[in-house]
Amino acid sequence: DGGITQSPKYLFRKEGQNVTLSCEQNLNHDAMYWYRQDPGQGLRLIYYSQIVNDFQKGDIAEGYSVSREKKESFPLTVTSAQKNPTAFYLCASKPSSYNSPLHFGNGTRLTVT
Amino acid sequence: AQSVTQLGSHVSVSEGALVLLRCNYSSSVPPYLFWYVQYPNQGLQLLLKYTSAATLVKGINGFEAEFKKSETSFHLTKPSAHMSDAAEYFCAVSADSNYQLIWGAGTKLIIKP
Repeated sequence: DGGITQSPKYLFRKEGQNVTLSCEQNLNHDAMYWYRQDPGQGLRLIYYSQIVNDFQKGDIAEGYSVSREKKESFPLTVTSAQKNPTAFYLCASKPSSYNSPLHFGNGTRLTVT
Repeated sequence: AQSVTQLGSHVSVSEGALVLLRCNYSSSVPPYLFWYVQYPNQGLQLLLKYTSAATLVKGINGFEAEFKKSETSFHLTKPSAHMSDAAEYFCAVSADSNYQLIWGAGTKLIIKP
């Protein structure tokens, strides 16, 4: 079955370390997204990419970086510059047609201590 | 600019009772509207979407939503709540050429036995 795979499900890191969250999709979708979710704050967009080798900052890009070298993959790196990295991170993808819905992975819960 | 307001961060209903989750949007262009559901520690799953074909939209799990342009609303309803409906529900609007979604803050649905 097609879908979006995020790994790992849970991730623990020490403060000051960079960490990379994986996101892979086999839906042949052009666009991919990274969201951060904190309790009571809904979803906030970190980065998105509409085509390979191109990506744009979302609302809260500071302290994060991404790459889009392959259509299927959109890894997110949480750098040590991110002030409050502990959160639930969601990856999503969608076809390029305007009104298509987002498809989500099951998320990665990152805890930084 | 587009925006989405979900009234009530928490809604509690008895099992078998009507579920009504409210969503109001603002958009300067005809919007596309979505409802998603999120179970604990999981990604978001599409419940239904409005893309101008019909104002009453039926979704999965017995949910439906009605688009009311005059009220700028897209409320989600289900005639009879089940315990399995306990989750967080998000309303989103897409009216941007960059295919981004604007998210509501979410409503947690609590089902009382």
